[in-house]
Amino acid sequence: EVQLVESGGGLVQPGGSLRLSCAASGFTVSSNYMTWVRQAPGTGLEWVSVIYNDGRTYYADSVKGRFTISRDNSKNTLHLQMNSLRAEDTSVYYCARDPFYSTGLLNWGQGTLVTVSS
Amino acid sequence: QSVLTQPPSVSAAPGQRVSISCSGSGSNVAINYVSWYQHLPGAAPKLLIYDNNKRPSGIPDRFSGSKSGASATLGITGLQTGDEADYYCATWDTSLSAGVFGGGTKLAVL
Repeated sequence: EVQLVESGGGLVQPGGSLRLSCAASGFTVSSNYMTWVRQAPGTGLEWVSVIYNDGRTYYADSVKGRFTISRDNSKNTLHLQMNSLRAEDTSVYYCARDPFYSTGLLNWGQGTLVTVSS
Repeated sequence: QSVLTQPPSVSAAPGQRVSISCSGSGSNVAINYVSWYQHLPGAAPKLLIYDNNKRPSGIPDRFSGSKSGASATLGITGLQTGDEADYYCATWDTSLSAGVFGGGTKLAVL
């Protein structure tokens, strides 16, 4: 059974850093496109970042230069390093798996809440 | 302001059919695959349609997807009260080199 479990969310001050993790089971992270999606309170879904099976990475303009997506193949885990956090980064962050290599996000984690506030 | 434009809300009676539109441009919907998601409060989004018109295993054929030019459409037939949710389209934007979501459409089954 495919499962994704996010962790690492919490309260952080503006300008601070946080590292989110997404532990995967039932499939191999490095063989899939893996994506981070977020939802700020009262708003819609926002695409954040993707790492392809070949290692290429892409980012939304809103996080480019501040966030870094990576994976630990030995632990079958996806990460999102978030630096220089802003109030507008406050969101529930979801990791998702795209086995179709085409933005079809089939499997999702339960989400982890990141709150950026002083 | 989303790159993909969806109506904020749609409504229909139980048993009826509804369509949700997703309007994009030549750099996204027109040239890349579109997917559709159902999102209920407090839950993770669920993939309904991928690659414009394919349904993942377990998604009933009441849900369908189509695309023409720079616009895509999600169709839902035989509406049920359990279909009340937010629906999002998504695709890749080649100019942005990034994924994009529509602003979302709230479906009310009256």
